[in-house]
Amino acid sequence: SAVISQKPSRDICQRGTSLTIQCQVDSQVTMMFWYRQQPGQSLTLIATANQGSEATYESGFVIDKFPISRPNLTFSTLTVSNMSPEDSSIYLCSVEDSRSGTGELFFGEGSRLTVL
Amino acid sequence: AQKITQTQPGMFVQEKEAVTLDCTYDTSDPSYGLFWYKQPSSGEMIFLIYQGSYDQQNATEGRYSLNFQKARKSANLVISASQLGDSAMYFCAMRERNAGKSTFGDGTTLTVKP
Repeated sequence: SAVISQKPSRDICQRGTSLTIQCQVDSQVTMMFWYRQQPGQSLTLIATANQGSEATYESGFVIDKFPISRPNLTFSTLTVSNMSPEDSSIYLCSVEDSRSGTGELFFGEGSRLTVL
Repeated sequence: AQKITQTQPGMFVQEKEAVTLDCTYDTSDPSYGLFWYKQPSSGEMIFLIYQGSYDQQNATEGRYSLNFQKARKSANLVISASQLGDSAMYFCAMRERNAGKSTFGDGTTLTVKP
């Protein structure tokens, strides 16, 4: 299984500021996924980050609001820009288990953001 | 249309009893995978069990089994001999081969009573 480290684990941010979340994987992976989980709700995919190309964003998410970097096969960042209280969520980085080939996901411990 | 439907927002079960968490799905892709994940109150997401669309037998992993009824498009999770530590949110998810990404249901909160 992949070990995924995310930081920060939690933060309290002021409205209008931006925060970058880092995700480090202990093995090389092709795709990394960024999910958002609003309080008490399910996981919603923000974007898929591929190394060497632009991230692919899901409907309702745009690059200006959630810029993503993927400089190599083990690391990615997600920035939440110009934050508002509606951005208060848990942000989760995940990768697929490449060895099993089934598509099961491993997740980081999540970054819990509170925007005041 | 929602691809994954979990109709039970909350479930209660007595310790040591079995419980079934419902999940139905919708896809036109003949090749897909179904997953269950557990999210305790601490927040981490834990993979529990996988069922492939072409698998003939229901998946089992320890106390977890998946009741796969392909014609009905259901993939219910059965937890046997419930333990207090099973109290958590449970998410059903599907990964269609053509989509290359997983979609999650709304989740079911399971509470195990002593």
